[in-house]
Amino acid sequence: GQQVMQIPQYQHVQEGEDFTTYCNSSTTLSNIQWYKQRPGGHPVFLIQLVKSGEVKKQKRLTFQFGEAKKNSSLHITATQTTDVGTYFCARGGETSGSRLTFGEGTQLTVNP
Amino acid sequence: GAVVSQHPSRVICKSGTSVKIECRSLDFQATTMFWYRQFPKQSLMLMATSNEGSKATYEQGVEKDKFLINHASLTLSTLTVTSAHPEDSSFYICSAIPLTGWANYGYTFGSGTRLTVV
Repeated sequence: GQQVMQIPQYQHVQEGEDFTTYCNSSTTLSNIQWYKQRPGGHPVFLIQLVKSGEVKKQKRLTFQFGEAKKNSSLHITATQTTDVGTYFCARGGETSGSRLTFGEGTQLTVNP
Repeated sequence: GAVVSQHPSRVICKSGTSVKIECRSLDFQATTMFWYRQFPKQSLMLMATSNEGSKATYEQGVEKDKFLINHASLTLSTLTVTSAHPEDSSFYICSAIPLTGWANYGYTFGSGTRLTVV
């Protein structure tokens, strides 16, 4: 199937350290979306990347889409305890009504 | 922003009974809603795509007679787990997208329903 592979599965960091999660696909992605799910909560949309080589920033979060549109990354600078949660990438379809296929997620824990 | 309401948030039912879960888009219309299932510490697995006014599209391996989906209006989709068994215990989440502006808001998720079958 058209899966997206996400690594690492778990990441433990000290508060203030940086964090990166990677998402890879064997096929070209139309777009990639990123979601955050807090423990016990539901996924919350962070961003969508569409263009080859695209880089978007949201405060301490930096999202990148690879030139070949087969990989993406989310980087958090100087993590805080509020960053705790599982970060999922998800590949979308060609149209707005298309299904999302989620990566396995990276569970981030931040030690204060 | 787009808001999706999901009820109930938690339900415990006896084995063999049926449970209905509701998913409502509160401030937008959604011709398409999605139902996911999530086991502890795992990713979201798409179960079915719910289309307003037509039959749902189920993913491979999902029993359509067990997981009944009804999308009667542009703001409401329901998932009924029929003859529930302990192995159906899971976290069920719906999501919906607005007809416009989805690129900015992404897919909005309900708060989820934690089903426990005893």
